[in-house]
Amino acid sequence: KAGVTQTPRYLIKTRGQQVTLSCSPISGHRSVSWYQQTPGQGLQFLFEYFSETQRNKGNFPGRFSGRQFSNSRSEMNVSTLELGDSALYLCASSATSGSPYEQYFGPGTRLTVT
Amino acid sequence: KQEVTQIPAALSVPEGENLVLNCSFTDSAIYNLQWFRQDPGKGLTSLLLIQSSQREQTSGRLNASLDKSSGRSTLYIAASQPGDSATYLCAVRMDTGRRALTFGSGTRLQVQP
Repeated sequence: KAGVTQTPRYLIKTRGQQVTLSCSPISGHRSVSWYQQTPGQGLQFLFEYFSETQRNKGNFPGRFSGRQFSNSRSEMNVSTLELGDSALYLCASSATSGSPYEQYFGPGTRLTVT
Repeated sequence: KQEVTQIPAALSVPEGENLVLNCSFTDSAIYNLQWFRQDPGKGLTSLLLIQSSQREQTSGRLNASLDKSSGRSTLYIAASQPGDSATYLCAVRMDTGRRALTFGSGTRLQVQP
């Protein structure tokens, strides 16, 4: 099985712009979660989607949003970018049977805001 | 609020040594605990997952234990190799409420050849 894929892998944006990141989960996985990783804050949970519905949300401002499509692919959007949004954004997928909630991570998207 | 702590923050050992990485969590009402490995600038690779009802899991040279009541987990790496050099992260998923993973800050391991 192919692993979790994320596009693009690297991105450079300017303050005030918006950005959309994409994640394709492992085939058959219906749950997709997003995390932000920074040197100062470590790994922090952004949100989780399951069957096109947001199931959980972390403590991030409304500038961070996401969605999931019927094929389980997910996108996250960050509007009005700030310098502090520079981070590695990781997507993870999990199955809901077998080994429930074991999360498999993608390679991440490195976002740099200048 | 769940908090996860990993000690030590960094560790350097000579090749061949056995070593133990520690993870502690404040709320014992967990669903499972997962150990990950992260190479610089890369994503996370799942190493072991322990369900709350289990005491340990093994995969090759890795063994993870869980003491849920005391809020502790250890990752034992036998006969370490330079290729084991990476950051090791533990993460817990709660039994109720928001079931997102809460991560520790990681232990950066360097195995010297």
